[in-house]
Amino acid sequence: AQTVTQSQPEMSVQEAETVTLSCTYDTSESNYYLFWYKQPPSRQMILVIRQEAYKQQNATENRFSVNFQKAAKSFSLKISDSQLGDTAMYFCAPGGSQGNLIFGKGTKLSVKP
Amino acid sequence: EADIYQTPRYLVIGTGKKITLECSQTMGHDKMYWYQQDPGMELHLIHYSYGVNSTEKGDLSSESTVSRIRTEHFPLTLESARPSHTSQYLCASSVTAPGTQYFGPGTRLTVL
Repeated sequence: AQTVTQSQPEMSVQEAETVTLSCTYDTSESNYYLFWYKQPPSRQMILVIRQEAYKQQNATENRFSVNFQKAAKSFSLKISDSQLGDTAMYFCAPGGSQGNLIFGKGTKLSVKP
Repeated sequence: EADIYQTPRYLVIGTGKKITLECSQTMGHDKMYWYQQDPGMELHLIHYSYGVNSTEKGDLSSESTVSRIRTEHFPLTLESARPSHTSQYLCASSVTAPGTQYFGPGTRLTVL
């Protein structure tokens, strides 16, 4: 069974700075997907970025990028030029052949002006 | 924003009442999911469906039931609500599994 660990329950960052959220997971599968989701306060859960495990190149989406280390089973999220709207809970979620996603406990990120 | 809807958004109800939480999506996705989430906590999968007339229980045991008679509709029912059912319920859908899941806004349920 897959497990996922987000070791930082809360983090804060100054506006315009860079922050990295960590995520480690355990899986016996060779082909799987990894996701980062964002849940702003009292708002809808939305996808931030996704990574296919078979791809060596790290995914990027504008200010968001990942550092995917397959051997270490690590999948960290880097947010550059942090904005006030980035304040949210961030969830790491691996998904394998069984089809469902396993969500971590989340990291609460606060961006301060 | 994804086209997935949940009603009601907020529900306060007394113990013992039967409730149905509605979830609909207009994207034609075959895969749909129900998650339970306590405030500030992780999501737990309670039900999923990979197509019409197909439903499965998730990782977290739940007294709720679901049905999937139409592709776009995946309602969740509690026959007799209890205070322990107080939580937020999130519905999601996807094209593939695993795949990007699109979430609804959630229903915040309070059982008194």
